[in-house]
Amino acid sequence: TQLLEQSPQFLSIQEGENLTVYCNSSSVFSSLQWYRQEPGEGPVLLVTVVTGGEVKKLKRLTFQFGDARKDSSLHITAAQPGDTGLYLCAGVKVQGAQKLVFGQGTRLTINP
Amino acid sequence: GAGVSQSPSNKVTEKGKDVELRCDPISGHTALYWYRQSLGQGLEFLIYFQGNSAPDKSGLPSDRFSAERTGGSVSTLTIQRTQQEDSAVYLCASSLSSLFYNYGYTFGSGTRLTVV
Repeated sequence: TQLLEQSPQFLSIQEGENLTVYCNSSSVFSSLQWYRQEPGEGPVLLVTVVTGGEVKKLKRLTFQFGDARKDSSLHITAAQPGDTGLYLCAGVKVQGAQKLVFGQGTRLTINP
Repeated sequence: GAGVSQSPSNKVTEKGKDVELRCDPISGHTALYWYRQSLGQGLEFLIYFQGNSAPDKSGLPSDRFSAERTGGSVSTLTIQRTQQEDSAVYLCASSLSSLFYNYGYTFGSGTRLTVV
């Protein structure tokens, strides 16, 4: 059983469309992070959210942490081919060891 | 160094042989983590080191897996008597500290291990 469930697992859309990726859990997290990974590389940190209800924006990407700190979402506006990659959410549980647990990832493809 | 360095980048080994994977973290990062990733999936935690504390080995899948970190810097992950199910990308990451939950990880590019 995956501690962090991401949906959808695969998403293929056209350039210019909007999309949302979800990361859900029944556990409470001290923080949630989003990473993007490209083929042959390690994941790269995009953002960290730590406060329930927090919203952070990174250009066309908007990240939200749920009020109860159990879930998060990533919204991309006007997707570009450069947004293509594997998006991973990861969190540190409130009750538990200080290490990130990862979701299974969302593989995003933006078609020109 | 400027980033996390892992070597080798690719390793093909025969079933039953031992392999060693190396990770050189960012200077000054006290926490070092090993994860495993299969076929573009999510990351499976293996082990982490924080300063001089005893490592958290709770993710190691069997006693064939072990890791050490010498001098608080370089780490080596050893897999003994490799099996085909060990084939995966092994990722190393470091962070300033594991004691603060808002610190991000910096990952290396990984070692792709193939057991034939």
